[in-house]
Amino acid sequence: GAGVSQTPSNKVTEKGKYVELRCDPISGHTALYWYRQSLGQGPEFLIYFQGTGAADDSGLPNDRFFAVRPEGSVSTLKIQRTERGDSAVYLCASSLAGSGYNEQFFGPGTRLTVL
Amino acid sequence: SQQGEEDPQALSIQEGENATMNCSYKTSINNLQWYRQNSGRGLVHLILIRSNEREKHSGRLRVTLDTSKKSSSLLITASRAADTASYFCATRINSGGSNYKLTFGKGTLLTVNP
Repeated sequence: GAGVSQTPSNKVTEKGKYVELRCDPISGHTALYWYRQSLGQGPEFLIYFQGTGAADDSGLPNDRFFAVRPEGSVSTLKIQRTERGDSAVYLCASSLAGSGYNEQFFGPGTRLTVL
Repeated sequence: SQQGEEDPQALSIQEGENATMNCSYKTSINNLQWYRQNSGRGLVHLILIRSNEREKHSGRLRVTLDTSKKSSSLLITASRAADTASYFCATRINSGGSNYKLTFGKGTLLTVNP
């Protein structure tokens, strides 16, 4: 079956612009996660959805970052007034449920470059 | 913030040799997982070891966990060029409300030379 997909695979934007990154989780997975990976680092947690609601958004760096999952499936990560420091690979993952032993399946990521 | 620290940061070996990577973490965990990442396939889950387990095998992979030392090791035996990738350990903390969250280390870059 299809894995987690993310679009676009690459996004180049200018400082100050607004961007949206999309994630299509594996069908039937109720839990969805966003992570950010900077160059030379491991992924860092941003936000976790259980169904439609954001159960934990403690990893979002500031209020320029926002994510939605209106129908409990596709999620969109939105970044306002982008800054050069936002450049990173944004990874989405999904799992059957949010509990600790459910494997998270990762998408290929969106590489965001802010010029 | 990153909880795990992998060691070494980079490792270069010849095909057929074994590769050992270590991971240390700071807080009590529910489980620890190892992931592989390369440009071709993204981040792939390799193996999960629970906090009450000490050793686990999967094919050419062997993972150990020492909760008293807050450390884990990943051994890849009979390495192949295709094993070239970055390897990350990721922990899930032992807190019922937050045990969904994975906290990754910085990774070990493994290069297997043909």
